[in-house]
Amino acid sequence: DVKVTQSSRYLVKRTGEKVFLECVQDMDHENMFWYRQDPGLGLRLIYFSYDVKMKEKGDIPEGYSVSREKKERFSLILESASTNQTSMYLCASRLAKSYEQYFGPGTRLTVT
Amino acid sequence: QKEVEQNSGPLSVPEGAIASLNCTYSDRGSQSFFWYRQYSGKSPELIMSIYSNGDKEDGRFTAQLNKASQYVSLLIRDSQPSDSATYLCAVNDGGSQGNLIFGKGTKLSVKP
Repeated sequence: DVKVTQSSRYLVKRTGEKVFLECVQDMDHENMFWYRQDPGLGLRLIYFSYDVKMKEKGDIPEGYSVSREKKERFSLILESASTNQTSMYLCASRLAKSYEQYFGPGTRLTVT
Repeated sequence: QKEVEQNSGPLSVPEGAIASLNCTYSDRGSQSFFWYRQYSGKSPELIMSIYSNGDKEDGRFTAQLNKASQYVSLLIRDSQPSDSATYLCAVNDGGSQGNLIFGKGTKLSVKP
């Protein structure tokens, strides 16, 4: 079974704080993704990575950065958290040869 | 802008009935189609993949694909209250990156 884990299920941060969200997968997947999900807006792709040290902007990268130093780990960084970044953050991974994405449990982030 | 459209619902069916969930997509280059189930407060879970025109059955679930009409559907036979969830349709972006484009989901409620 594919296992994707995320560092926190719930997180509360203050405006202006730097926030790190961690994602780890144990299936040797090449590709990893960060999404946010908001009511009425669906899933929106923030960043993705096809390989170690590689990153690509998704549809809404503003205010975020990512890091992929190891194949199994993909981190999302909010440089200076703002209230409009309050959301459910979902990490996903897949094999390079497949389109099937597998999601982690999600992190519900609240910025106050 | 490539899109995946779903009726947001809620779709309400009685227990034991057939639930029919529909999805249309705009990118004729899409070749891979997926259904995810998402319980409230949880992350999406992949439940069906379909790649060829026609039907694919897996237990109580049947996915149907019609590429000419750019239409994908999911049928759930003998619906159970535990099937109550939001169902997300996803198709691969026919461009070079091949990421998934997600619909906003249809909320299904199965009444006992």
